[in-house]
Amino acid sequence: EVQLLESGGGLVQPGGSLRLSCAASGFNFDRSDMSWVRQAPGKGLEWVSVLSGRNGGINYADSVKGRFTISRDTSKNMLYLQMDSLRADDTAVYYCANLHHSWGQGTTVTVS
Amino acid sequence: QSVLTQTPSVSAAPGQKVTISCSGSSSNIGENFVAWYQQFPGTAPKLLTDENSYRPSGIPDRFSGSKSGTTATLAITGLQTADEADYYCGTWDSSLLAYVFGGGTKVTVL
Repeated sequence: EVQLLESGGGLVQPGGSLRLSCAASGFNFDRSDMSWVRQAPGKGLEWVSVLSGRNGGINYADSVKGRFTISRDTSKNMLYLQMDSLRADDTAVYYCANLHHSWGQGTTVTVS
Repeated sequence: QSVLTQTPSVSAAPGQKVTISCSGSSSNIGENFVAWYQQFPGTAPKLLTDENSYRPSGIPDRFSGSKSGTTATLAITGLQTADEADYYCGTWDSSLLAYVFGGGTKVTVL
C-alpha cells in the first residue's frame, strides 16, 4: 500500500525557517517524481516544487524560488522541504505527493 | 489568477451528468498530459484520472477525462451525493517549468 506521511509543520514567525519531511513507502521512491503542493486556507491547490526521480532535476514555483529547497534521501525513502525566510502568505497545508499516484494527508504551516 | 481556467461551480440533480472544463494553452494542456483530482473538505486531494483519460484502480467509470486541443474535460455521470467535492485539473507547463493547477470547481448535487 502506498503511503506518504508528512511531518514538521507548525507555527513560525515571519522570517523564520521550518523543515518539512515526508516518509514514503509502498512504491519505488527512487524512480518517482515527488512534489510538494500547498493549499492556503480557503484557497485552491498551489504547486510548490518537484524533484525528478529520473534525473534528480528540481523545479520551483516562482513564489518560493530562492527561499525553499527540496531534497531527498533515497536510503531512507524520505522527501524534504527546507523553508527559509517564511512569510505570512506561506501559511498553508503542505502536501507531499506523487502527482500521478498518491498524496499525503498534509502538514499545516502557520507563519505569524 | 490560475494558469488553467475552471468554472468555479457546477450543480445537477442526482443521476444527472456534469462536465467540468479546464482551459489552458499550448505550453500546458496543448502539449502535456492532464490529471484531475477530487478533494473533500478537510482532506487531501485524490487522483481521479491521469494522462488525460486513464483511471487508476478503484476509480468508478462514472468519472471520465478527455482532452481536445488546449481544453480538458472531466465528466461525471450518474451523479451521486457522495460526489459533492472540489475538483482540480493539473498539468505541466513547459514554458513556466512548473506544474499548474486550475482554480478548482465545486460540484453541488441538488
